[in-house]
Amino acid sequence: GQSLEQPSEVTAVEGAIVQINCTYQTSGFYGLSWYQQHDGGAPTFLSYNALDGLEETGRFSSFLSRSDSYGYLLLQELQMKDSASYFCAVEGTGGFKTIFGAGTRLFVKA
Amino acid sequence: DAGVIQSPRHEVTEMGQEVTLRCKPISGHDYLFWYRQTMMQGLELLVYFNNKAVMDDSGMPKDRFSAKMPNASFSTLKIQPSEPRDSAVYFCASSRDSPGYTFGSGTRLTVV
Repeated sequence: GQSLEQPSEVTAVEGAIVQINCTYQTSGFYGLSWYQQHDGGAPTFLSYNALDGLEETGRFSSFLSRSDSYGYLLLQELQMKDSASYFCAVEGTGGFKTIFGAGTRLFVKA
Repeated sequence: DAGVIQSPRHEVTEMGQEVTLRCKPISGHDYLFWYRQTMMQGLELLVYFNNKAVMDDSGMPKDRFSAKMPNASFSTLKIQPSEPRDSAVYFCASSRDSPGYTFGSGTRLTVV
């Protein structure tokens, strides 16, 4: 089977840097994705890592270590609008489908 | 591009009634997914299609749920009979043969 673990909540201050960790267990692995979801909204795709290392997209970066079954999402220069839930998700064996973690709720304070 | 379009946005129905949720994927996207989101279970994959064919429906309670994709631009998720535990937000998502899904705005279903 597949399982993912991420913290349930993280609080940070506007302008700061925050890291959201994700560990996973899968019977097969193709890649790790990150999604953002604001309250009442739909999940929005942020990034995807298939290989080890860091991927940077503007203020957001995502990291993957396949040997450690671990990844993280790094958010820099936090803004109030970054307050949302962030989901890590794995694409594993069994076809082209993605299983989502329970999500991390990020609170950004002024 | 209008994105993934779902209807209705909200649905309130009585227990035992039939409910049909609809989805129009992004043109050219070969994959279509139905997810259900609740506070307790998070985002659960119910079923997904590739080129209109069901690829995996292991997450779908088949005694009451059914999913169809009669053509490349339309899919339905039907619940019959509906139960209060089916209350959730149902998301449809689509994708090309690459990572990263585009989600619709969701249908908030309440079964009373």
